[in-house]
Amino acid sequence: GAVVSQHPSRVICKSGTSVKIECRSLDFQATTMFWYRQFPKQSLMLMATSNEGSKATYEQGVEKDKFLINHASLTLSTLTVTSAHPEDSSFYICSASQGAEEAFFGQGTRLTVV
Amino acid sequence: GQQVMQIPQYQHVQEGEDFTTYCNSSTTLSNIQWYKQRPGGHPVFLIQLVKSGEVKKQKRLTFQFGEAKKNSSLHITATQTTDVGTYFCSHAGNNRKLIWGLGTSLAVNP
Repeated sequence: GAVVSQHPSRVICKSGTSVKIECRSLDFQATTMFWYRQFPKQSLMLMATSNEGSKATYEQGVEKDKFLINHASLTLSTLTVTSAHPEDSSFYICSASQGAEEAFFGQGTRLTVV
Repeated sequence: GQQVMQIPQYQHVQEGEDFTTYCNSSTTLSNIQWYKQRPGGHPVFLIQLVKSGEVKKQKRLTFQFGEAKKNSSLHITATQTTDVGTYFCSHAGNNRKLIWGLGTSLAVNP
C-alpha cells in the first residue's frame, strides 16, 4: 500500500515555543491531506483539510492561527503548532489518499508541551 | 454530517472467544471502512465495503454491510492477543473526509 511518513514521532517542547510536524506521501501525490488530533482512548478528531496550493480548510472550533497548515507540494504538508501550551499536548496524525476512499496514515506525532 | 455510532466502546474477552463491534448510522452510507489502531500506533486500513449486504472475510475477521447500508459489523472469531487494539469504522463524506466512529477498544486476556 501507499506510504505516508510523518516526522517527528515524538517531540517535547517548552511552553510558548512552536513545533512543526511534517507529513509526506512517499510514493504517490496527495492533493489533499488531513490532520487529526487524538486524545488518549478517544477517536480521531479532524482538525483541518490541507489542500495543495491553497488554504487549508479548518473544522469548527480549530484555531487556524494556532495550527498553521502549509501544503506547498503534492507530497508534503506541514502542521505548525504555534505558541504551544500544555493543553496542546496530544497525538497528531496526518492522512492522505490516492483518490480512492482508503486513507493512509502517518505514524503520528506525540507532542508534549512542558 | 452523517454520524456513525459504534458499540460497544470497550470489550474484554478471553483469548479464544469471539468478538463483534457494530457501526450504525441513521442515514444510508455510500461506503463503510474499518481500521485497526494498535496501542501507541496509527490507524491501519482493514477493508472497505460498498455494496448492500456485502460480506468480506480476512482470515478470522468477517465484515458485513447491512442490506439498507446503514449498519456494519466486524466479527473476530477465536480472538488472539494480537487482535488487541481499537477498531474504528468510518465512511467517506464530502471532499473525501472520513467520518469516524468512536471506536471499540478490544482487550484480550491470555
